[in-house]
Amino acid sequence: AQKVTQAQTEISVVEKEDVTLDCVYETRDTTYYLFWYKQPPSGELVFLIRRNSFDEQNEISGRYSWNFQKSTSSFNFTITASQVVDSAVYFCALRRYSGGYQKVTFGTGTKLQVIP
Amino acid sequence: SAVISQKPSRDICQRGTSLTIQCQVDSQVTMMFWYRQQPGQSLTLIATANQGSEATYESGFVIDKFPISRPNLTFSTLTVSNLSPEDSSIYLCSGQGTMTEAFFGQGTRLTVV
Repeated sequence: AQKVTQAQTEISVVEKEDVTLDCVYETRDTTYYLFWYKQPPSGELVFLIRRNSFDEQNEISGRYSWNFQKSTSSFNFTITASQVVDSAVYFCALRRYSGGYQKVTFGTGTKLQVIP
Repeated sequence: SAVISQKPSRDICQRGTSLTIQCQVDSQVTMMFWYRQQPGQSLTLIATANQGSEATYESGFVIDKFPISRPNLTFSTLTVSNLSPEDSSIYLCSGQGTMTEAFFGQGTRLTVV
């Protein structure tokens, strides 16, 4: 069975602070995908990043960076110099790498509030 | 990635009635997924819809309560039947085509009174 744990339910930071959102996953698969999605108050889910399990390179995109550590089954997300527009619920997710259309397992989400 | 237009974005319904949610994709996708997100919770998969066959429902969800149609590769509907206040949630449709990440509609925020 697959499981994604986001232990931080809610985080509040002051604007311009850095913040890291934790994600720990469990899977018996040797190859899999990991994702981060953002859900602003309007409700839609916005795709942020996909990471393959065989690619442990960290990635940076503007103020966003992701740290994938296969040895600890973690895929953490850091926002540098946070802004009010970053306020949202962030979901970490996991799915199998195998062919076909596999279900996505979502974590419980971390609600980030950036205070001006 | 593809874009899904989901309608309605929100609705307030009387208990005992039904609501049908529509999702239109701007390109063909083989599989579509329907999720429920109860207030403050994560996404729970309701069912998987493949064109031309009956949807596959997850444990705890039944076709009589959540009938799904998938008439072609760009369209799907979810009906939430016999509404009760417990059905108040956000409902999201998702597509998964040749790209490996799932993409989502804007969500339907349902309130049952």
